[in-house]
Amino acid sequence: DADVTQTPRNRITKTGKRIMLECSQTKGHDRMYWYRQDPGLGLQLIYYSFDVKDINKGEISDGYSVSRQAQAKFSLSLESAIPNQTALYFCATSVGGRDTGELFFGEGSRLTVL
Amino acid sequence: GQNIDQPTEMTATEGAIVQINCTYQTSGFNGLFWYQQHAGEAPTFLSYNVLDGLEEKGRFSSFLSRSKGYSYLLLKELQMKDSASYLCAAMDSNYQLIWGAGTKLIIKP
Repeated sequence: DADVTQTPRNRITKTGKRIMLECSQTKGHDRMYWYRQDPGLGLQLIYYSFDVKDINKGEISDGYSVSRQAQAKFSLSLESAIPNQTALYFCATSVGGRDTGELFFGEGSRLTVL
Repeated sequence: GQNIDQPTEMTATEGAIVQINCTYQTSGFNGLFWYQQHAGEAPTFLSYNVLDGLEEKGRFSSFLSRSKGYSYLLLKELQMKDSASYLCAAMDSNYQLIWGAGTKLIIKP
């Protein structure tokens, strides 16, 4: 089993629908992240959380929200999906300090908004 | 602003050597990371440099020059399975990763 698990792996939805992407990890890491990847662009950070009570906006948080339900679970929500949110979404975890840059990624969730 | 530049695509021959360059501009610097990403898969960590010089790890090596804001990933004895995108990321003073768009490496027999 994967250490970082994302569900769903693929989702097609319509404009205006609410979508939740879920992430769970068994690595025991405190830090969790949600990234978005679009063709030709670098990974863009949506939200990150250093522990259950610490959630921070990344560079592209507008239109997204998150919930850190437990150390092992970090969910990403799109309250009202729009077509330009069509992308590949990755959840990732890391240890703190210098090792913060060594991220462990989930397999990705491909979202299509029609 | 913060920026990472790396070539969009490179082609190399099986068995050869290829060097993928990356230049960065960040607010502060806490290290340079390389990741490998096969098509349709998640990125996986390859290397980390924070001091100037070369770090070797098997067929892969990574080099850093902090004064020049420059890094490269060197892949030796290329294999077909090395066909992938290689992502360069620099960590800024807030320990945030700034990502390049990735270099797609195509290996030909």
